[in-house]
Amino acid sequence: AQSVTQPDIHITVSEGASLELRCNYSYGATPYLFWYVQSPGQGLQLLLKYFSGDTLVQGIKGFEAEFKRSQSSFNLRKPSVHWSDAAEYFCAVEAGTALIFGKGTTLSVSS
Amino acid sequence: DTAVSQTPKYLVTQMGNDKSIKCEQNLGHDTMYWYKQDSKKFLKIMFSYNNKELIINETVPNRFSPKSPDKAHLNLHINSLELGDSAVYFCASSQPGTSVTDTQYFGPGTRLTVL
Repeated sequence: AQSVTQPDIHITVSEGASLELRCNYSYGATPYLFWYVQSPGQGLQLLLKYFSGDTLVQGIKGFEAEFKRSQSSFNLRKPSVHWSDAAEYFCAVEAGTALIFGKGTTLSVSS
Repeated sequence: DTAVSQTPKYLVTQMGNDKSIKCEQNLGHDTMYWYKQDSKKFLKIMFSYNNKELIINETVPNRFSPKSPDKAHLNLHINSLELGDSAVYFCASSQPGTSVTDTQYFGPGTRLTVL
């Protein structure tokens, strides 16, 4: 069965430090992968997506993610975190027409 | 010019009541969805409609009935509300078929609280 695992429930990063959020997926075919961000009390905003081609994808707000088929991973990175990046981050895989989400990683940013 | 909008944003009601949440998208997409986010922030698909036809119904109690009057609208009606229905409900839309457009866009969510 398709699934998405985000191993880190909560991560705290200092402002200006680099960030990596982990995502592992289980899917039989070539996956369509997504990262969404949910700011407190807000809806979901698409950060980036991978469909095919270049395994390093660039997104909005300075985020990027790398698809590694051999590791079934799609980790999200940002070289320098800003306080406004504090939010909930969800990795998702498209299964059929619906998205299967991981349980999310809460990012806190310390000054 | 919000792409996917939901009303209301907050809904507080008593157990046993019937309520509806409305969703509209102005993206011209053929497919719309309802997701439920529980208190632990876990997001799960409930329904998916393609051009007004139901294509996914994920083990949702039949107290939940989606209604799609046209492809720009997918409303969620909930009968006999229970405490466990308290959650944030997100509407989304997409245009499946091409890698460029096969992305789901989410509404701002409706926080339902059942007392």
